[in-house]
Amino acid sequence: LAKTTQPISMDSYEGQEVNITCSHNNIATNDYITWYQQFPSQGPRFIIQGYKTKVTNEVASLFIPADRKSSTLSLPRVSLSDTAVYYCLVGPEAAGNKLTFGGGTRVLVKP
Amino acid sequence: DGGITQSPKYLFRKEGQNVTLSCEQNLNHDAMYWYRQDPGQGLRLIYYSQIVNDFQKGDIAEGYSVSREKKESFPLTVTSAQKNPTAFYLCASSSRGGVNKETQYFGPGTRLLVL
Repeated sequence: LAKTTQPISMDSYEGQEVNITCSHNNIATNDYITWYQQFPSQGPRFIIQGYKTKVTNEVASLFIPADRKSSTLSLPRVSLSDTAVYYCLVGPEAAGNKLTFGGGTRVLVKP
Repeated sequence: DGGITQSPKYLFRKEGQNVTLSCEQNLNHDAMYWYRQDPGQGLRLIYYSQIVNDFQKGDIAEGYSVSREKKESFPLTVTSAQKNPTAFYLCASSSRGGVNKETQYFGPGTRLLVL
C-alpha cells in the first residue's frame, strides 16, 4: 500500500512559486502520481499526473526523481485564487482499484 | 456538457431517517466512488463500484448502503445506523488510462445536516 506524506500547510505570497513535496516511499512499479486541488465546499479537481521525470501543463509542473520515492508539485506565480488544499495520491491500489486521500496540504496565498 | 451531478446540494436528516444522495455521470466511466469529508479533514472512501451490479466497501462503509443498477448512477443511502452523518459527501467517477493510471472526476458535493 503506497502511503503518502505531505506538509499540513504552507503560506505564500502572490506572484511567488509554491513547491509542495510529497513522500511516497512504498510506491509500486506501475503506480502513477496524481495531484488534486480542492476549494472549500467543492469537489477536488485534477491538476496533474506523472510517472517519472517532469510533467508540465498550463496549471502546474510535477517533478519526480529517478527513485520515485517523492514528488514535488510546483505552482508558478500563485494568485489569491490558488488558496486551496492540495492532495497527492499514488496508485490506485492494484487489488482494490481505489485511491487513498490523505489530509492534503493547505496552501494560503497572501496578498 | 459532460460531468458528474449530485443532488441535492443540501440535505437534512431527522433522527432515525434514511436519506438517499443522488450521483449521476455522463462521462461513460465504469468506476464510481463515494467519499465523506468532515470539516478540515481529507476524504475518506465509503463505497466504490468498478462495474454495474458490483460494489465494494471502502474504509468507512458502516451505516451506508449503495446500489449500481446503471452505469450512470451510483446512489448512496445514509441509514439510521450511521450515528454521525453530518458531513460533506462527494461522488466521483473514473476511467482507467492504463494499469494503475487513474484520474477521478468529482461532483459538486452534498452537504448533509442532522436536525
